[in-house]
Amino acid sequence: GQNIDQPTEMTATEGAIVQINCTYQTSGFNGLFWYQQHAGEAPTFLSYNVLDGLEEKGRFSSFLSRSKGYSYLLLKELQMKDSASYLCAVRDGDYKLSFGAGTTVTVRA
Amino acid sequence: NAGVTQTPKFRVLKTGQSMTLLCAQDMNHEYMYWYRQDPGMGLRLIHYSVGEGTTAKGEVPDGYNVSRLKKQNFLLGLESAAPSQTSVYFCASSYIDSSSSGANVLTFGAGSRLTVL
Repeated sequence: GQNIDQPTEMTATEGAIVQINCTYQTSGFNGLFWYQQHAGEAPTFLSYNVLDGLEEKGRFSSFLSRSKGYSYLLLKELQMKDSASYLCAVRDGDYKLSFGAGTTVTVRA
Repeated sequence: NAGVTQTPKFRVLKTGQSMTLLCAQDMNHEYMYWYRQDPGMGLRLIHYSVGEGTTAKGEVPDGYNVSRLKKQNFLLGLESAAPSQTSVYFCASSYIDSSSSGANVLTFGAGSRLTVL
């Protein structure tokens, strides 16, 4: 099975940087995903890591260390619209995705 | 391009009633999934399908049944609803990417909010 841990809540100021950590223990690993979910809406894809290192996409970056079972999502230049839940998910060898409980990020003016 | 469409969006049931949630995708995706989302527990996989005519159990399959008679549709059934099945249900689909670096990104529907009284 999969055990995926991430903080429940984080608060940051507009324009700041926030880092959301995710640790996982899995029976199989075939990639790590980050999804964004605004309240009352469906999750949408943000980033994907399958090899160690940093993937950058605009204001969002994601890092993976497979040996440590660790990833983080970095949100830079925070905007009010970034207030949402951020879901860490691990894919196993059967293409199933297991999700963490999500981290609610609140951006304050 | 509609993507993934779920019906109904809202439903209230009494304990013991049955119902079916319908998921339809127009992206010709092979893989389809049903998740439920509860506060503090994240998304949990109920059942999934890797192609037309195939289904498999996920993390929390008890009390649910599924069918994938057509590639574009994935139905989730509750034969005898229980209050513990009150949740938001999300359907998702993805394509097959056989490369080791393939992202295999899930596209989610808007969700179906089910309340069982």
